[in-house]
This record gives sequence, C-alpha cells and structure tokens, in this order.
Amino acid sequence: GENVEQHPSTLSVQEGDSAVIKCTYSDSASNYFPWYKQELGKRPQLIIDIRSNVGEKKDQRIAVTLNKTAKHFSLHITETQPEDSAVYFCAASIGGNSGYALNFGKGTSLLVTP
Amino acid sequence: NAGVTQTPKFQVLKTGQSMTLQCAQDMNHNSMYWYRQDPGMGLRLIYYSASEGTTDKGEVPNGYNVSRLNKREFSLRLESAAPSQTSVYFCATRTSGGKETQYFGPGTRLLVL
Repeated sequence: GENVEQHPSTLSVQEGDSAVIKCTYSDSASNYFPWYKQELGKRPQLIIDIRSNVGEKKDQRIAVTLNKTAKHFSLHITETQPEDSAVYFCAASIGGNSGYALNFGKGTSLLVTP
Repeated sequence: NAGVTQTPKFQVLKTGQSMTLQCAQDMNHNSMYWYRQDPGMGLRLIYYSASEGTTDKGEVPNGYNVSRLNKREFSLRLESAAPSQTSVYFCATRTSGGKETQYFGPGTRLLVL
C-alpha cells in the first residue's frame, strides 16, 4: 500500500521566518495530497490541498508544491506567527480504488517562537 | 448544523470489555472513515464505508468491527478491548462526486487499562 514519509518530525522557527515541511509518497497512482493542521486536543483541520494535475497552489501565507516525478510534495508557510504552532500532517490518496482513504505521514510539530 | 459528531468524548475500559464508538454526520456525505491516532504514528485508517451498506478494511482493522447503520451513522466496535487499543479515534466524512476532502469529528479518547 501507499507509504507516506514526512520530515522533519519537529521544527522550530522564529516568528516571521518561513517553515517548510516535506513529504514523499510511494504509490505513483496517488493523485490527491492534502495538508492538515492539528492543534493540541483538537481535530485535524484541512488547510490546503493539491491534486496531481497541478504543480503548485497558494493560499495567502501557505503554499504547497508537488513534484510527481520525484513523488514528493511540500508545505511552505511564510511569515510564520505563533498561532501557526501546531502539528501538521501530510497525506496522500489514490482516489476511488481505495474509497478515497487518506494515508498520513507521521506529522511535524511546528513551534513558532516570538 | 453540527457537522461530524462523536460520542463519547472520553472512555476508560478494562481489558476484555467491549464498547461502541458512535459517529454521526448531518452533511449528507456518502463516505465515512474511522482512523486511530497514536503518538508519533500519525493517523491510521481502521475501516471505511464508501457508501451506505458497504464497509471495507483499512490499514489496521484487527480487533475492530464497524456498522454503517444508515447514511448518517457509522459505528466502531471493540469486542474485547486491549491496552494496545488505547488511542484517540477520529471519524471522518467525505462527500461524493470525486471530491476528496475529508472532514473530521472531534475525536474519542480511549484508555484501556
């Protein structure tokens, strides 16, 4: 099955700096790549997603890039703020053949210090 | 419009006890999923239901059963709880028509002693 690797497991940045989290996937049939943010004790919340027919997508301070050839995708957060501190998960899906189930990376704990 | 709800929020069980985790949604979504989240492991799929009347195993189905009672409700049952099932359980839903976005419930925290 699909295997999603996520790095780094922890990331500490100063407020205003950029943060980058990287994920790789194993199944070339994967075609949907969401990113979730999870605050302590809360549910995962979708922050951005990208489909395999797109190379980059941006939403304000958040962007995601996808390299299908290399089978990796990355989350970029610019001008980080303390409220960006959370655990971020990447995921991949091969679509209808697996019921659109998501395979998650193990998460990155991001700490933004003032 | 509550979205996705889960009950209970928190439960303590003794080894060997059984219980059912409930998930309900009012978004008229076709697909529903159960994930478990353990520290350092991300979220792992236990079972899913692509539509009412169907269920399929995910990555870690052993020790669990599910029931898709109707379009709104998808329950997860532990017949004989084990300490290894101590985890946070999340239910998620997805609409139909090839849209992939999943929406998560608030979670159930389960402790098995």
